[in-house]
Amino acid sequence: EVQLVESGGGLVQPGRSLKLSCVASGFTFSNYGMNWIRQAPGKGLEWVAYISSGSSYIYYAETVKGRFTISRDNAKNTLYLQMTSLRSEDTALYYCARRKGPGYFDYWGQGVMVTVSS
Amino acid sequence: DIVMTQSPTSMSISVGDRVTMNCKASQNVGSNVDWYQQKTGQSPKLLIYKASNRYTGVPDRFTGSGSGTDFTFTISNMQAEDLAVYYCMQSNSYPPWTFGGGTKLELK
Repeated sequence: EVQLVESGGGLVQPGRSLKLSCVASGFTFSNYGMNWIRQAPGKGLEWVAYISSGSSYIYYAETVKGRFTISRDNAKNTLYLQMTSLRSEDTALYYCARRKGPGYFDYWGQGVMVTVSS
Repeated sequence: DIVMTQSPTSMSISVGDRVTMNCKASQNVGSNVDWYQQKTGQSPKLLIYKASNRYTGVPDRFTGSGSGTDFTFTISNMQAEDLAVYYCMQSNSYPPWTFGGGTKLELK
């Protein structure tokens, strides 16, 4: 069974940093591109970042470019999102999601909440 | 960036209804539109990929159609368990992958 389990969220002050993790199981993690997607409270879905299976391709949304860093450790089956210079507008539920085929996301984690507030 | 516009933003429906919602892309995205269902308190789930392909295990009451800029998602026989927010997403021109604003289904 495919499972994606996020962790590392919490309450953080504006300007500070936080690192999210997503541990994958039930599939060969190193064969798949992975994404972070977020959802602000009561709002829709916003794609945040993508990393290809071997980390050769990395993309970011303009809203986080230069502040967030996506990475992965295929030996540990783990995806990361290092978030720096956090802003109140980064407050959201952050999901990791597996990319399948040409573009769609077939498995999502349960999400981890990040709250940026003083 | 490609903007995905969903309509309506919400619908009041009854069990057994046929439900149709739309998604319009700001430019041609071919058939590269996917549909996700998000129930309250849950993560999104893939229902339809590449406009009309039902994902594994998805009931056949869910169908998708369209190409180019105009896409439709239909639930043929609404069930109570289908109450959710439905999102379209384009996976043609990325980054970024972009989602529509969602259509929320509520009971009449």
